[in-house]
Amino acid sequence: GAGVSQSPRYKVAKRGQDVALRCDPISGHVSLFWYQQALGQGPEFLTYFQNEAQLDKSGLPSDRFFAERPEGSVSTLKIQRTQQEDSAVYLCASSLAGTGANVLTFGAGSRLTVL
Amino acid sequence: EDQVTQSPEALRLQEGESSSLNCSYTVSGLRGLFWYRQDPGKGPEFLFTLYSAGEEKEKERLKATLTKKESFLHITAPKPEDSATYLCAVLAGGGADGLTFGKGTHLIIQP
Repeated sequence: GAGVSQSPRYKVAKRGQDVALRCDPISGHVSLFWYQQALGQGPEFLTYFQNEAQLDKSGLPSDRFFAERPEGSVSTLKIQRTQQEDSAVYLCASSLAGTGANVLTFGAGSRLTVL
Repeated sequence: EDQVTQSPEALRLQEGESSSLNCSYTVSGLRGLFWYRQDPGKGPEFLFTLYSAGEEKEKERLKATLTKKESFLHITAPKPEDSATYLCAVLAGGGADGLTFGKGTHLIIQP
């Protein structure tokens, strides 16, 4: 597609529920990133994929967070047993080449609200 | 630990009133400094990348500059459509993959 597509745009979950957020990057983009943006804050790095390989997951806040990109295109961020502090906008970004120094194209984000 | 501090947090200008936004950073081996624009309900949109002290880049009414400790985003004769949150981010050396962002400057241009 023309841009990075994320779904759902909005998700409301009860505390303790599992959620899955989808990212469809720009076709042909090698690198894919997930960021978490709390209200009034800048985005914070969660994890990085180069094709299907998850090369960096140092930003994932706990083992309740899991990301995958099995075929090197679409990626899913899964959050198990959601907590209120997980409420944020989850941004996906992709870039053509395989290093973090390249220009990122961000999606519009998935806004998660945990009640 | 890599740190990015942006100031001011918010800025309200009249249309045509030029100003500058500041981004101070502490990073182990800068590989790049990035400026993004973010509109409400949207993801950040890339503006500039700067790689070394002394470098400058321009796009329309925006000009970004870089020193060893900070970057400035200069806005000349802004228009209401320049209203947005401007985010600064750094990419550190040592094999880091993710950008470290500041909290942003919320800019409002009044007609």
